[in-house]
Amino acid sequence: QVQLVQSGAEVKKPGASVKVSCKASGYTFTSYYMYWVRQAPGQGLEWMGIINSSGGATRSAQKFQGRVTLARDTSTSTVYMELSSLTSDDTAVYYCARARGVGHGGSYPFDYWGQGTLVTVSS
Amino acid sequence: DIQMTQSPSTLSASVGDRVTITCRASQSINTWLAWYQQRPGKAPKLLIYEASTLESGVPSRFSGSGSGTEFTLTISSLQPDDFATYYCQQHNTYWTFGQGTKVEIK
Repeated sequence: QVQLVQSGAEVKKPGASVKVSCKASGYTFTSYYMYWVRQAPGQGLEWMGIINSSGGATRSAQKFQGRVTLARDTSTSTVYMELSSLTSDDTAVYYCARARGVGHGGSYPFDYWGQGTLVTVSS
Repeated sequence: DIQMTQSPSTLSASVGDRVTITCRASQSINTWLAWYQQRPGKAPKLLIYEASTLESGVPSRFSGSGSGTEFTLTISSLQPDDFATYYCQQHNTYWTFGQGTKVEIK
């Protein structure tokens, strides 16, 4: 069965960076694009970026460009999201999610999600 | 950027009620629309994709319709498990979510 297991909660100081991992299993990792989505406390869902799990190409939402780095390790079927220059506004639960289909530049909804990683930014 | 607007923001209903949530896109997205359910403390769950196709394992009381800029999610007979927050999402151009509709117990 498809599973996405994320790394644990993080507490960071303003100005620091955080790196969240998402380990996939139960399917052919390189066949599916992966996404990152975040949700601030009591707020809605916000798409952050997408990575091609095969070739490694990435795109990020304009809001996060220059601050987010997406990467993947095909040997461990893991994707990573690093967010830099953290502020209190970055306090949120961060999710990885998988594309529902293959190809087409990943233009799909998200069918499997990780359990979420809470990142708290506080001085 | 394509903006997604859901209404209402909150909906109070009883078990057995028929519930409809509306989602409007700022420009045409054909039928590239999905609906998700999110329970407190949990990740979202895909319910419907391509506006009207039920994801495998999702109860048939959920249905979706619409195309272009206007979409609806209908729950034909609300069950206790259905009290949650629902989000629409467009994937025509990148990905954008609506602000969510919380379905609460009346």
